[in-house]
Amino acid sequence: KQEVTQIPAALSVPEGENLVLNCSFTDSAIYNLQWFRQDPGKGLTSLLLIQSSQREQTSGRLNASLDKSSGRSTLYIAASQPGDSATYLCAVSDRGSTLGRLYFGRGTQLTVWP
Amino acid sequence: DTGVSQDPRHKITKRGQNVTFRCDPISEHNRLYWYRQTLGQGPEFLTYFQNEAQLEKSRLLSDRFSAERPKGSFSTLEIQRTEQGDSAMYLCASSPGTGGMFVDEQFFGPGTRLTVL
Repeated sequence: KQEVTQIPAALSVPEGENLVLNCSFTDSAIYNLQWFRQDPGKGLTSLLLIQSSQREQTSGRLNASLDKSSGRSTLYIAASQPGDSATYLCAVSDRGSTLGRLYFGRGTQLTVWP
Repeated sequence: DTGVSQDPRHKITKRGQNVTFRCDPISEHNRLYWYRQTLGQGPEFLTYFQNEAQLEKSRLLSDRFSAERPKGSFSTLEIQRTEQGDSAMYLCASSPGTGGMFVDEQFFGPGTRLTVL
């Protein structure tokens, strides 16, 4: 069974710092990997999708990389802002499971203080 | 708003009552998923529809849970004889699903927060 782990569980940084969130998964036979943002009590907002054939994706201040063979992904946030404060979730869709079924990590709770 | 919508956003019920949630996916999205999220955890898969066909149910979905997607549009998730352990956020997601075995991006709704007293 696919297992997804996110490190660190929580992170608190001052505004302006560049930071890296880590995600690892146990089965490298994946279709894709998605990073989501979740605000308290809210649903999930998709940030980036990386297909298994891709190495990275960028959107604004966000950059996500994927190393499928080692089962790792990182989300890089440049010049962090207080508005970035949220929980960031990593999820993979693997080839051994229901088409599109996502396996999630527990998330990294990010706090950016002014 | 053309995103995924869910109704109600919050539901408080007493143990033993039945509840029903609704999800309206993005228009023309063929794939629809239900997930459940408890505090401090990532969402866990419950069930999956391809158009109107329910193709998989997780072992998390006991006999008290049933889901439908009539006509391949909106979906409902019903919980019968609710228990306190059912308290969670119920999330719905949809994806285009037009590319055969291609797995595309999933878009989530705001969720329904269920509290069972």
